[in-house]
Amino acid sequence: GENVEQHPSTLSVQEGDSAVIKCTYSDSASNYFPWYKQELGKRPQLIIDIRSNVGEKKDQRIAVTLNKTAKHFSLHITETQPEDSAVYFCAASMKYSGAGSYQLTFGKGTKLSVIP
Amino acid sequence: GAVVSQHPSWVICKSGTSVKIECRSLDFQATTMFWYRQFPKQSLMLMATSNEGSKATYEQGVEKDKFLINHASLTLSTLTVTSAHPEDSSFYICSAPIGTDTQYFGPGTRLTVL
Repeated sequence: GENVEQHPSTLSVQEGDSAVIKCTYSDSASNYFPWYKQELGKRPQLIIDIRSNVGEKKDQRIAVTLNKTAKHFSLHITETQPEDSAVYFCAASMKYSGAGSYQLTFGKGTKLSVIP
Repeated sequence: GAVVSQHPSWVICKSGTSVKIECRSLDFQATTMFWYRQFPKQSLMLMATSNEGSKATYEQGVEKDKFLINHASLTLSTLTVTSAHPEDSSFYICSAPIGTDTQYFGPGTRLTVL
């Protein structure tokens, strides 16, 4: 099955600096790669996603890049703010299930701390 | 964005009792919903896929007789933890997809078994 590796497990940056989180996946058939932000005790929130027909996607301070050949994708957060502090999870779509929805395999998460 | 609700948000129960958790898609229909379990400071682990009108699909190592799933309608899936024990204490989260891939998560249910 799919295996998603995520690095680093913890990341501390100064406010205003950039943060980069990297993930690799094993199943070349995966074609959907979302990123979720989870604050303590709350639900994961989808912050950005990318599909395999696109190499890069940007939404304000957040961007994601995908290298299908190398099977890795990265999250880039620029001009970080204290409210960006949270745990970030990458995921990759794994296999067809049920009535047409793809299952997600998650990385282990990165705890981002933005220091004011 | 899509809204997924979960009830209850937290529950404390005695060992040996059963607990039911509901997951609802509020503004869209979902023929499939997913149930995850998350231990403190760990990632989300898929437990099972809930399918409206058919049996749930369980991941390897998840006991289907212990974690009963019923997808009663296009907006409701329930997870029942039967004969709960302290090791079942965890954060249970459901998700529902829009289209084939984008998943939206419920707020989670924190289960504590005494």
